[in-house]
Amino acid sequence: DVKVTQSSRYLVKRTGEKVFLECVQDMDHENMFWYRQDPGLGLRLIYFSYDVKMKEKGDIPEGYSVSREKKERFSLILESASTNQTSMYLCASSLRGHEQYFGPGTRLTVT
Amino acid sequence: ELKVEQNPLFLSMQEGKNYTIYCNYSTTSDRLYWYRQDPGKSLESLFVLLSNGAVKQEGRLMASLDTKARLSTLHITAAVHDLSATYFCAVDPGAGKLTFGTGTRLQVTL
Repeated sequence: DVKVTQSSRYLVKRTGEKVFLECVQDMDHENMFWYRQDPGLGLRLIYFSYDVKMKEKGDIPEGYSVSREKKERFSLILESASTNQTSMYLCASSLRGHEQYFGPGTRLTVT
Repeated sequence: ELKVEQNPLFLSMQEGKNYTIYCNYSTTSDRLYWYRQDPGKSLESLFVLLSNGAVKQEGRLMASLDTKARLSTLHITAAVHDLSATYFCAVDPGAGKLTFGTGTRLQVTL
């Protein structure tokens, strides 16, 4: 079974803090993705990566950055957290051209 | 810009009834996915539809794809309470990126 894990299920941070969200997959997938999910807006793609050290902007990259130093690990970084980044963050991975498998999600609250 | 629209956004139905969720998308694509999400949980893959006319069935759920009409449907037959969840369609316009619909929250009542 594909397993995608995320470092935290729940996280509370203060405005202005630097926040790291970690995602690890164990199926040697090339592709990894970060989404945020908000009520009424569905899932929106923040960043994705097709290979180690490669990254591409998604639909809403502002205020975020990513890092992929190893194939199995994809990190999402909020350089200076703001209250409008309070959301559910979902990581996913896939083989090229195949369905995406999602992690359990991290519910981030920025106060 | 690819747009994916689902309707209805919310569906309350009685056990035993049939209903269909619709997913329309705005640009050409040969790949469409359906996911299920239970409250507080992550997304679980239900169906992968890869070509025009594709039909997949699992239990009481059946999904189909019409690429010419840019339409996919998720049909629910004789609903049961366990099907209560939010259902998302997602379209891949190419390169593995997905654009999701806003989801249909299904509530099956006794």
